[in-house]
Amino acid sequence: DIQMTQSPSSMSASLGDRVTITCQASQDIGNNLIWFQQKPGKSPRPMIYYATNLANGVPSRFSGSRSGSDYSLTISSLESEDMADYHCLQYKQYPPTFGSGTKLEIK
Amino acid sequence: QVTLKESGPGILQPSQTLSLTCTFSGFSLSTYGMGVGWIRQPSGKGLEWLANIWWDDDKYYNPSLKNRLTISKDTSNNQAFLKITNVDTADTATYYCARIGTRVLFDYWGQGVMVTVSS
Repeated sequence: DIQMTQSPSSMSASLGDRVTITCQASQDIGNNLIWFQQKPGKSPRPMIYYATNLANGVPSRFSGSRSGSDYSLTISSLESEDMADYHCLQYKQYPPTFGSGTKLEIK
Repeated sequence: QVTLKESGPGILQPSQTLSLTCTFSGFSLSTYGMGVGWIRQPSGKGLEWLANIWWDDDKYYNPSLKNRLTISKDTSNNQAFLKITNVDTADTATYYCARIGTRVLFDYWGQGVMVTVSS
């Protein structure tokens, strides 16, 4: 199975900060990666697909990038509504595997 | 408008079989390229993919659950199903079904159904 190592597991940032969350893939996954946002008590919502593409309705402060086997989700200017858990998912190879998640809190 | 909703027993005992139903609208599982997946999440923990079923009845399972999973569909009634045999407390989780779209895997999710395995 492909392992997705996600970091950090939790973080706290201030409104307006630039925030970056990273997933490192244990094998080549191409750009077959999705970032999900999950607010407390809610279902996951896709934010970024195919590593760099913004999903419908997602604010432009969110972006995705790739450097080698490292995939990053960046929020350019943190807003209060961004407080949530974030998960990456690779779907290059079965079984699809998720990162362990990042809990993002607002200072 | 795409919607999905999971239903299940709520609570069951160890060694029983868990049967889950995903009832959806706004798309058809007879449409080329469409699919439904099942994902679960123990309370306070991460997400785990369980199984996918595709429009052509192709099926994929998480090998970590070995032979305990069976996924199926009823295209006429817009439903997908997941059975997990021989459950134990480690299967306690919120279970989600999600649409597999033509562009994005798991682009729409149900609200989830909590399942507790307890004696």
